[in-house]
Amino acid sequence: EVQLVESGGGLVQPGRSLKLSCAASGFTFSNYYMAWVRQAPKKGLEWVATISTSGSRTYYPDSVKGRFTISRDNAKSSLYLQMNSLKSEDTATYYCARELGANWYFDFWGPGTMVTVSS
Amino acid sequence: DTVLTQSPALAVSLGQRVTISCRASKSVSTYMHWYQQKSGQQPKLLIYSASNLESGVPSRFSGSGSGTDFTLTIDPVEADDIANYYCQQSNELPLTFGSGTKLEIK
Repeated sequence: EVQLVESGGGLVQPGRSLKLSCAASGFTFSNYYMAWVRQAPKKGLEWVATISTSGSRTYYPDSVKGRFTISRDNAKSSLYLQMNSLKSEDTATYYCARELGANWYFDFWGPGTMVTVSS
Repeated sequence: DTVLTQSPALAVSLGQRVTISCRASKSVSTYMHWYQQKSGQQPKLLIYSASNLESGVPSRFSGSGSGTDFTLTIDPVEADDIANYYCQQSNELPLTFGSGTKLEIK
């Protein structure tokens, strides 16, 4: 059974950093692109980052480029999101998602971890 | 960026047919995908590449369209289908989602 479990969320002050983790199981992690997608409270979905199977290629929207870094450890079947210079608008539930790299859609999602940026 | 426009909400009677639309600001070919998100849960993939039913998804769900206009159809609607539905394009980066359509029961 495919499982994705996020962790690391919490309350953080503006300008500070936070690192999210996602533990994957039930599939060959190294064969899949992986991604982070977020959802602000009562709002829609926003793509945050994608990483290739080896980790050599990463992709971001302008809203987080230069502040967020996606990475992976295939030996540990784990995905990470380092978030720096956090802003109040980064407050959201962050989902780890398995991505079909050839077509860039998300076929499995974790339950999410909540990040609140507030003083 | 490719903007995806969805109607905010739709009301439908149980057992009826409903179509949820998604319009793209530029052509996305068939790189359009649909997700269902129930209250308090993570999204779930329903349809990929415009018209392909994801494994395990009931055949009541279907998708169609190409270019700029896409539809997700549920026929017949069941009580379990109450959710928000999002479209997502992958024709170009950044990947973008529609704002979602909330399906309500009359």
